[in-house]
Amino acid sequence: EVQLVESGGGLVQPGGSLRLSCAASGFTFSSYWMHWVRQAPGKGLVWVSRINSDGSSTSYADSVKGRFTISRDNAKNTLYLQMNSLRAEDTAVYYCARSGGLGASDAFDIWGQGTMVTVSS
Amino acid sequence: SYVLTQPPSVSVAPGQTARITCGGNNIGSKSVHWYQQKPGQAPVLVVYDDSDRPSGIPERFSGSNSGNTATLTISRVEAGDEADYYCQVWDSSSDHSWWFGGGTKLTVL
Repeated sequence: EVQLVESGGGLVQPGGSLRLSCAASGFTFSSYWMHWVRQAPGKGLVWVSRINSDGSSTSYADSVKGRFTISRDNAKNTLYLQMNSLRAEDTAVYYCARSGGLGASDAFDIWGQGTMVTVSS
Repeated sequence: SYVLTQPPSVSVAPGQTARITCGGNNIGSKSVHWYQQKPGQAPVLVVYDDSDRPSGIPERFSGSNSGNTATLTISRVEAGDEADYYCQVWDSSSDHSWWFGGGTKLTVL
């Protein structure tokens, strides 16, 4: 079964750090671009970051640029999001998602169940 | 940035047709994807590249895209279709970013 499972969320103080993980199974992880998408409580989806299949290229939303770092370990089939200098507005459910599973389409065809990050003192 | 505008809510009776729009500057030149999200669940892709359906998605879900508006159409709406729906595009001009619309709550009356 194709699956993405996030972990690492929790409560962190403003200015703190957290590292999220996303474990992939059921597909050849190293062949796909991967993304992080977040959703603040009661709000819509917001794309956060993406990484290409071999990890050599990344991009970020302006709201997290310079604070968050996306990475991957293809040997461990795992995607990461290192989040530093966290702010209250980073409070959200964080989803990992896959793109490239539908031919040349960039649609996000597989999503994890999400992990909650709460930034509060 | 690239702004995608969706109506906050759409209501439809069971068996009728629901149309959810997604407005953006020259969106017809981009590939639009649509996601369904039910409360407490992760999003699910229901239409990609304007009008294609992933395997397992009913034919009742269809899409179109032209000019400045993309549309998700759900025919013969069922109670189980009640959810939030989001459109999404990739924009090469904004640092290769992906953008989501604000979401539309579909209510089945």
